[in-house]
Amino acid sequence: DQQVKQNSPSLSVQEGRISILNCDYTNSMFDYFLWYKKYPAEGPTFLISISSIKDKNEDGRFTVFLNKSAKHLSLHIVPSQPGDSAVYFCAASEFRNYQLIWGAGTKLIIKP
Amino acid sequence: SAVISQKPSRDICQRGTSLTIQCQVDSQVTMMFWYRQQPGQSLTLIATANQGSEATYESGFVIDKFPISRPNLTFSTLTVSNMSPEDSSIYLCSATPGTGGLDGENIQYFGAGTRLSVL
Repeated sequence: DQQVKQNSPSLSVQEGRISILNCDYTNSMFDYFLWYKKYPAEGPTFLISISSIKDKNEDGRFTVFLNKSAKHLSLHIVPSQPGDSAVYFCAASEFRNYQLIWGAGTKLIIKP
Repeated sequence: SAVISQKPSRDICQRGTSLTIQCQVDSQVTMMFWYRQQPGQSLTLIATANQGSEATYESGFVIDKFPISRPNLTFSTLTVSNMSPEDSSIYLCSATPGTGGLDGENIQYFGAGTRLSVL
C-alpha cells in the first residue's frame, strides 16, 4: 500500500522556467510534509516542509503548496536552474510519529 | 539542523562477509535511522536506532542480518551480516534533532550514504 505517490518518474524543464513536482497521499492522518533533493552519490538533502495547518510555504525559489481536501502537494521551483537537476522525494509523517513515509521520487532534468 | 558523517562511503565485499557502517552526528539527536535505497527506487527504512536499547526493525528486516548499535546520542553503527549480492545497495543514516517529531516538525538529516557492492 503506497501511502505517498509521486506519479511522474521524470520531468524535463527548460532553464529559467517553472518546475512543478507533484505528490499525492492517501493517509488523512499525515500532518507534516517534506521535500528532499538527492544528487547521485549523495544523501537526500532537506529542501522545504509544510505543516497541515498551512496551505503554502515559501523559501527563496522553492514554494510548497498543500491541498488537504485533494490530499495533494506540489513543489514549485522558480526559476529553474541547472543545479536543480536531481531526484526529488516527497515524504510525510503523522503527528508525534517520527517515521517518514517516502514517495518513489521524481527525476528533474533542467535543460539549458 | 544536524551534520551527519557516514563511513565508509563505498565498499566492495565478498559474499559471506560482514561490513559495519558508522554514522556520526555533530550534535546530540533524539532519533537515528538506517535506510536502504536500491537503484532507482525510494528509501526503505531498515530500523530505528534507539539509544541505550535494542533497535526497532521494520517488516522484512531482522536483527541477525542487520545488527545495529547506538551507544550514545551522537553515534550509531549498522552491520550488514553474511552478505550476498542481493545486499548490494546504498545504505543511508539519518537523524532527527529536537523532539524527534513530537512538536510536529519532523525533519531528518542524512549522511552521504554507503554504496555497497557484494560480489
